[in-house]
Amino acid sequence: QQQVKQSPQSLIVQKGGISIINCAYENTAFDYFPWYQQFPGKGPALLIAIRPDVSEKKEGRFTISFNKSAKQFSLHIMDSQPGDSATYFCAASQGGSSNTGKLIFGQGTTLQVKP
Amino acid sequence: KAGVTQTPRYLIKTRGQQVTLSCSPISGHRSVSWYQQTPGQGLQFLFEYFSETQRNKGNFPGRFSGRQFSNSRSEMNVSTLELGDSALYLCASSFNGGNTEAFFGQGTRLTVV
Repeated sequence: QQQVKQSPQSLIVQKGGISIINCAYENTAFDYFPWYQQFPGKGPALLIAIRPDVSEKKEGRFTISFNKSAKQFSLHIMDSQPGDSATYFCAASQGGSSNTGKLIFGQGTTLQVKP
Repeated sequence: KAGVTQTPRYLIKTRGQQVTLSCSPISGHRSVSWYQQTPGQGLQFLFEYFSETQRNKGNFPGRFSGRQFSNSRSEMNVSTLELGDSALYLCASSFNGGNTEAFFGQGTRLTVV
C-alpha cells in the first residue's frame, strides 16, 4: 500500500511534442505529490508538486493533473525540448509523526526528446 | 541561497570497512532525510533527522546509522560494508520535514569493492 507505480519506464518524444508520465497509488492518506527531475550524475531536482485539494497545477511547461478518485496523478511536459531529456520520478508522502520526511518514489521514467 | 551540499562526491571502499557521508542542508532548514538510490531498488528512504533527533527510519539494517548536529548538518555512517551497499546516497533538506518541499543534494557515489 506504500507503493507508487510509475509508467512508462521509458519514453521517446519528438521536440515540440507533449510528454506524459503517469503515477498511481493506493494509500489514500498520501497528501503531497511532488515530481522530480534527475540528470545523470546529479541529485533529483524538485520540479512541481501538488496536494489533493486541487486537480491541476501548472508551472511553465510543466503541469500536474491529479485524479483523487482514481488515485492517479500525471506529469505533462508541453513543447518538450532536448534539454528535458532526463529521468523523472513521481513521489508521494503523508503527514503524521511516523511518516515525517519520508517520500515514497516511483521507479522513474527515462525521457528522451529527439531534436 | 546555497543548495544542499554533500561530501565527498565519490568514495571507494573495501568490504568490511565503514564509511561516513556528510550533508549540509539549505540554510534555515532543520530537517535532513537520507535516501539510497540503486538501479534495481530505485530511491529508498533511510532515515530523517530534525533538531538532532531521528524522527523516522526506513527498512534498512542497523549497519546504517546517522546523526545530526546543532547546526543541522547531518552525517550517515555505514559499517561493515557489503558489495550491495554500492549506491548513490542522497540527502534531502526541508524546512521542517513533514510532507513539505524537499531539496536534494548531488549525492555521494559509494562503490564497495
